[in-house]
Amino acid sequence: AQSVTQLGSHVSVSEGALVLLRCNYSSSVPPYLFWYVQYPNQGLQLLLKYTSAATLVKGINGFEAEFKKSETSFHLTKPSAHMSDAAEYFCAVRLGGGKLIFGQGTELSVKP
Amino acid sequence: KAGVTQTPRYLIKTRGQQVTLSCSPISGHRSVSWYQQTPGQGLQFLFEYFSETQRNKGNFPGRFSGRQFSNSRSEMNVSTLELGDSALYLCASSVSGGAGYADTQYFGPGTRLTVL
Repeated sequence: AQSVTQLGSHVSVSEGALVLLRCNYSSSVPPYLFWYVQYPNQGLQLLLKYTSAATLVKGINGFEAEFKKSETSFHLTKPSAHMSDAAEYFCAVRLGGGKLIFGQGTELSVKP
Repeated sequence: KAGVTQTPRYLIKTRGQQVTLSCSPISGHRSVSWYQQTPGQGLQFLFEYFSETQRNKGNFPGRFSGRQFSNSRSEMNVSTLELGDSALYLCASSVSGGAGYADTQYFGPGTRLTVL
């Protein structure tokens, strides 16, 4: 069965520091992977997605993620955190028929 | 292009009642999926509709049902509400959802359901 594990339910960084949010997937077939962000009292917004075209995927707001098949990972990074990045981040794997399986989420805090 | 809209945004019901939530997808999108989000269970897939047919279903009891209309708008219904049904219900739409595994799902703002 396909699944997603996000390591660390809470991550805290200082403004300007590197952001690294970890995601590992379990899939028997080449996966389609997504990162979404959720701000308080809002829905989910797509940050980026991996569809096998390139292993390094660039998204919105300066985020990027690298697909590593050997490590079954799809970690999200941003070189320099901004206060506005504080939110909850979800990694997800796409199954057929419009079904996304989400990780438990990582809440990112950014300290001034 | 307008995004996914969900109505109502907030809802308070009592145990035993039933509720209907509505979702209007992005124009041209034919797939609508529903998710339940709770602090304990996270984001869980409820079901997906495509061309008025339920194409996929998650592991929820039969009290949770849905439908899709010819204009792709979708509704979900929860009957005999329980306290544990309190959650944020999110709707997402995509172009096809099925053949296009890479289809992006675009989410609405959600409906916050509180069951007292």
